[in-house]
Amino acid sequence: DAGVTQTPRHEVAEKGQTIILKCEPVSGHNDLFWYRQTKIQGLELLSYFRSKSLMEDGGAFKDRFKAEMLNSSFSTLKIQPTEPKDSAVYLCASSRTGGNQDTQYFGPGTRLLVL
Amino acid sequence: QQQVKQSPQSLTVWEGETAILNCSYEDSTFDYFPWYHQFPGESPALLIAIRPVSNKKEDGRFTIFFNKREKKFSLHIADSQPGDSATYFCAATTGYQNFYFGKGTSLTVIP
Repeated sequence: DAGVTQTPRHEVAEKGQTIILKCEPVSGHNDLFWYRQTKIQGLELLSYFRSKSLMEDGGAFKDRFKAEMLNSSFSTLKIQPTEPKDSAVYLCASSRTGGNQDTQYFGPGTRLLVL
Repeated sequence: QQQVKQSPQSLTVWEGETAILNCSYEDSTFDYFPWYHQFPGESPALLIAIRPVSNKKEDGRFTIFFNKREKKFSLHIADSQPGDSATYFCAATTGYQNFYFGKGTSLTVIP
């Protein structure tokens, strides 16, 4: 089975641009997570979907960050407009739901640089 | 409120020593406690996990010790090797809600 895939792997954007990051979860996984990772803040949750329904939207990230799950096998994270402080690695992860659930499987990440 | 707290932020041990990484949690309904490791340039990956039905879980040189009463769990890495140098994250969840991650411990093993 394929793992979590993310595209693009690297992105460079000018301040004020709109960028869209993409994620395909592991087939059969119901839960999908978007995280931002920086050295200072560590892993910060941006969004969490269960069976395509938004469960958590990351509070402080609401205004410029919007994640969508169009179907069970594809999700996007839109950042609009981008700011230099958004430079980070964006990780997508998926897992099965509940009971004897497996843990999260992470994708390779998208490294974003905002100039 | 931070649901999962991790310490120390960084740890340096000599090769062959036992490294001890600590975590504590707030929500007593959490029932699944994984540890992840992350090597430079890579994504986090599951290392070992425990459920509260037991207070110890071993996998080779890696052992989780779990204390339900104190809401603490720790990762012991025996006979530490330079290849163990990485950032380690603990996490907690009920399986029916979000995962909560600690902020990570950067481990360096000196040969």
